[in-house]
Amino acid sequence: NAGVMQNPRHLVRRRGQEARLRCSPMKGHSHVYWYRQLPEEGLKFMVYLQKENIIDESGMPKERFSAEFPKEGPSILRIQQVVRGDSAAYFCASSEDRVSEAFFGQGTRLTVV
Amino acid sequence: QKEVEQNSGPLSVPEGAIASLNCTYSDRGSQSFFWYRQYSGKSPELIMFIYSNGDKEDGRFTAQLNKASQYVSLLIRDSQPSDSATYLCAIGNTGGFKTIFGAGTRLFVKA
Repeated sequence: NAGVMQNPRHLVRRRGQEARLRCSPMKGHSHVYWYRQLPEEGLKFMVYLQKENIIDESGMPKERFSAEFPKEGPSILRIQQVVRGDSAAYFCASSEDRVSEAFFGQGTRLTVV
Repeated sequence: QKEVEQNSGPLSVPEGAIASLNCTYSDRGSQSFFWYRQYSGKSPELIMFIYSNGDKEDGRFTAQLNKASQYVSLLIRDSQPSDSATYLCAIGNTGGFKTIFGAGTRLFVKA
């Protein structure tokens, strides 16, 4: 049973480009969470999704950021027109339901140059 | 008040000692409580979870939960240098829709 898979592991983008981060949850998990971690800081909640639905996006910046979790395929976190301040590690986690433990992927480290 | 609060540390303990990590939370409706360990540059790894008041032991780790005081702690007995990491407290509840993480406590175990 593969764990949570994120790709790419490392992503370099120039300012103004788009970044697309992918997350495939563990088998049997339909709840996906995205977190951002800035250097030397804790995890910040961004968005919580179930299949085809955004349940809570209270941690998402209002502009340039979007997320989806389609019926088929991985969850996608999209950052448009990236800026240097978007450089961070982005972690995806999945769980069976809202209160069960969440398991994390290895993260995508985004660097904006 | 932050939803989940932890001392950022660093907490430094000698090898073989007991490390005590603490976490308080604001939502009385919280029902699930987790401790994650994160090594530098790595992803968080679940090490303990607890749902009921009292203690839960797993090897060298003991999680303690006091819902009345809105307090959860993690004790690490016989601390080893390999325990040096950031420990994240995480809280889940059915009223909300997300697991909230504290900022983490850095632990250093000195050989």
